[in-house]
Amino acid sequence: AQKVTQAQTEISVVEKEDVTLDCVYETRDTTYYLFWYKQPPSGELVFLIRRNSFDEQNEISGRYSWNFQKSTSSFNFTITASQVVDSAVYFCALSGYGAGSYQLTFGKGTKLSVIP
Amino acid sequence: SQTIHQWPATLVQPVGSPLSLECTVEGTSNPNLYWYRQAAGRGLQLLFYSVGIGQISSEVPQNLSASRPQDRQFILSSKKLLLSDSGFYLCAWNLRVNYGYTFGSGTRLTVV
Repeated sequence: AQKVTQAQTEISVVEKEDVTLDCVYETRDTTYYLFWYKQPPSGELVFLIRRNSFDEQNEISGRYSWNFQKSTSSFNFTITASQVVDSAVYFCALSGYGAGSYQLTFGKGTKLSVIP
Repeated sequence: SQTIHQWPATLVQPVGSPLSLECTVEGTSNPNLYWYRQAAGRGLQLLFYSVGIGQISSEVPQNLSASRPQDRQFILSSKKLLLSDSGFYLCAWNLRVNYGYTFGSGTRLTVV
């Protein structure tokens, strides 16, 4: 069975601070995919990134960066120089691959509050 | 390009009344379709998913049902709403699960 753990339920930071959101996953699949979604107060979930299990390169997109480490089964998300607009709930998710895989397994989410 | 439409955006319904939420996807064929619920301050709970017309898989036995009358239409229904049905309902789609989901804008349901 697959499992995603986001141990941080809520985080508060002051604007311009860096913040890292942790994500640890469990799977028996050798091929799998990891995702991060952002849910702002409006409610709609917005896709941020998708990584496959064979690509351990870190990814940077503007102020966002992701650190994927298979050795520790982690896929952490860092926001540099946080802004108030980053305030949201962030979900990490995991999917398998191939026949019979139809759904993502989500973590319970981390609520990030950026204080001006 | 593909788009997903979900309506209504908000809904206030009395206990015991019926429910129908609709989700449609445009610009693609034979998508996988999903209904999720999010209770206030909680995580995402998968309710139903469908890999084709008339094919519905239920993840959680409850007061709700789903139907897929057309390829790109997914409907969430209830005959009699309960207070516990209140929440934020999200529809999502993909062509393959390893692509992730594209979510609709959600319906905020309050049962009073």
